[in-house]
Amino acid sequence: AQTVTQSQPEMSVQEAETVTLSCTYDTSESDYYLFWYKQPPSRQMILVIRQEAYKQQNATENRFSVNFQKAAKSFSLKISDSQLGDAAMYFCAYRANSGGSNYKLTFGKGTLLTVNP
Amino acid sequence: DAGITQSPRHKVTETGTPVTLRCHQTENHRYMYWYRQDPGHGLRLIHYSYGVKDTDKGEVSDGYSVSRSKTEDFLLTLESATSSQTSVYFCATLGRFTYEQYFGPGTRLTVT
Repeated sequence: AQTVTQSQPEMSVQEAETVTLSCTYDTSESDYYLFWYKQPPSRQMILVIRQEAYKQQNATENRFSVNFQKAAKSFSLKISDSQLGDAAMYFCAYRANSGGSNYKLTFGKGTLLTVNP
Repeated sequence: DAGITQSPRHKVTETGTPVTLRCHQTENHRYMYWYRQDPGHGLRLIHYSYGVKDTDKGEVSDGYSVSRSKTEDFLLTLESATSSQTSVYFCATLGRFTYEQYFGPGTRLTVT
């Protein structure tokens, strides 16, 4: 079974600084997707960024970027120029890329990010 | 938000009573999912559906059942609620072209 591990239950960062959230995963699949979701206090789950395992180039979305190390099964999220609105719970998630998987997501336990003004 | 609504948004119920949570979507997505979120556990899959009347169990399905009689509705039932089922429940659908999951706003259920 696939597992996703987020080893940092909580992190904090100063406004305008950079922070990196860690995620490791375990799978025997070669074709899969990895995701970072943000959950602000509103409770809404928001997709931040996704990475396809076959793509070597790390995904970026504005101030959010990932460091995807396939061999190490590591998928970290870097938030640059942190803003107060970035404060949230962040979840790393894995999904096998096959119809047989029924596109089910496996989530890590989350990292609570605090942004200090 | 992919047109997903969940009802009720909040519910308090007593141990032993049946509870049904409803997920409604307007995008005609084939796949639908129910997750529960608990502190220290992230989100865990309860049940999912890959079409009308086609459902299967997820990681934490004990004590839960589901039904999908129409594409747009996916119901989660707790036959006899227990305090361990106090949680926030999320419904999600799978985008037809993006194959990304879109989440509803969640339902907070408290079992006393």
